[in-house]
Amino acid sequence: GENVEQHPSTLSVQEGDSAVIKCTYSDSASNYFPWYKQELGKRPQLIIDIRSNVGEKKDQRIAVTLNKTAKHFSLHITETQPEDSAVYFCAAPSAGNKLTFGGGTRVLVKP
Amino acid sequence: DTGVSQDPRHKITKRGQNVTFRCDPISEHNRLYWYRQTLGQGPEFLTYFQNEAQLEKSRLLSDRFSAERPKGSFSTLEIQRTEQGDSAMYLCASSTRQGNYEQYFGPGTRLTVT
Repeated sequence: GENVEQHPSTLSVQEGDSAVIKCTYSDSASNYFPWYKQELGKRPQLIIDIRSNVGEKKDQRIAVTLNKTAKHFSLHITETQPEDSAVYFCAAPSAGNKLTFGGGTRVLVKP
Repeated sequence: DTGVSQDPRHKITKRGQNVTFRCDPISEHNRLYWYRQTLGQGPEFLTYFQNEAQLEKSRLLSDRFSAERPKGSFSTLEIQRTEQGDSAMYLCASSTRQGNYEQYFGPGTRLTVT
């Protein structure tokens, strides 16, 4: 089955700085990589995803890059704001499109 | 609200009791997934349905757990003889069809077994 590892587990940044979270996956057949943001007590919210036919995707202040050869993908948040503080999860699908999640990264944006 | 809904949002039960949770997916979504999330961890897959058919169950899903989706719309997850280790957030997610991977989550049911 799929195995997803995520680093770092915690990340503290100053408001306005950038944040980068990295994930690796094991199944070379995986071709879809979503990122979820989860605020305390709330549901995981899909914020961006990337399919294997592209190497980068951007949506305003967030971007995701994918390196299929190395089997890793990253989330980049630029110009961080206090509302970006949350836990972020990467994921990769396996058979049946069920998602295997990374362990999460707790991001704290300090004003 | 046309998103995924779950009921109840919170459930406190005593060890040994049975509990049942409900999930209503986004109306046009034919795939429905159950995940479990413990504090500080990512969601872990439990089982999924395509329409009314349960296509896969995780090894995490012991024989005390059963899930149904009788008419291919809402789904229920039942836990019999609850144990303290069952305490977790139970999340439901739905997606449109095979090959469309985007999954949207409900707010979850937080189960506390005392």
